[in-house]
Amino acid sequence: AQSVAQPEDQVNVAEGNPLTVKCTYSVSGNPYLFWYVQYPNRGLQFLLKYITGDNLVKGSYGFEAEFNKSQTSFHLKKPSALVSDSALYFCAVRDMGASGTYKYIFGTGTRLKVLA
Amino acid sequence: GAVVSQHPSWVICKSGTSVKIECRSLDFQATTMFWYRQFPKQSLMLMATSNEGSKATYEQGVEKDKFLINHASLTLSTLTVTSAHPEDSSFYICSARGRRGGYDEQYFGPGTRLTVT
Repeated sequence: AQSVAQPEDQVNVAEGNPLTVKCTYSVSGNPYLFWYVQYPNRGLQFLLKYITGDNLVKGSYGFEAEFNKSQTSFHLKKPSALVSDSALYFCAVRDMGASGTYKYIFGTGTRLKVLA
Repeated sequence: GAVVSQHPSWVICKSGTSVKIECRSLDFQATTMFWYRQFPKQSLMLMATSNEGSKATYEQGVEKDKFLINHASLTLSTLTVTSAHPEDSSFYICSARGRRGGYDEQYFGPGTRLTVT
């Protein structure tokens, strides 16, 4: 079965410093990987995805993620953190089912806190 | 702008009553809709998947008689929590999948916070 793991419940980083939110995956076949952000009492906002192609994927709000097949990782990164980046971040994998259907499997989430 | 809306965004109901949550795809036809539940500080748990005009497929452990899902049109799905109890209090998020801008994608709604007193 497909799965993603986010080993850190919370990440603290000072404003202006680079940030990394970790995600590792376990899939059979080629992975379709996603990052979403959730602000308090809000739904999920799409940040970026990896389907195929370049291992470095650029997304919204200055975020990027690096797909590493040998380490089965898809870590989210940003060169310079902002206080407004403080939120809950979810890594997800698309789990293909029968007849072309699919569903998303989410990680447990990592709370990012950017300190001023 | 938003492509999937949910209504209401926040609802309080008394124990024993039923509450309906609507999910709409705003500018595309959603062939499949998903309903998730999120407990505080936890991840999203898929409750059920519904295709337009078909019965919903529920995940293991989700009571289909308690969480009624109707996907009556290609732009609307509803989740009805029947005989709600305080333990049903949660954040419910819908997601719609369809072809938009030439791509088949899945979009998430803003969520509905249900509080049962």
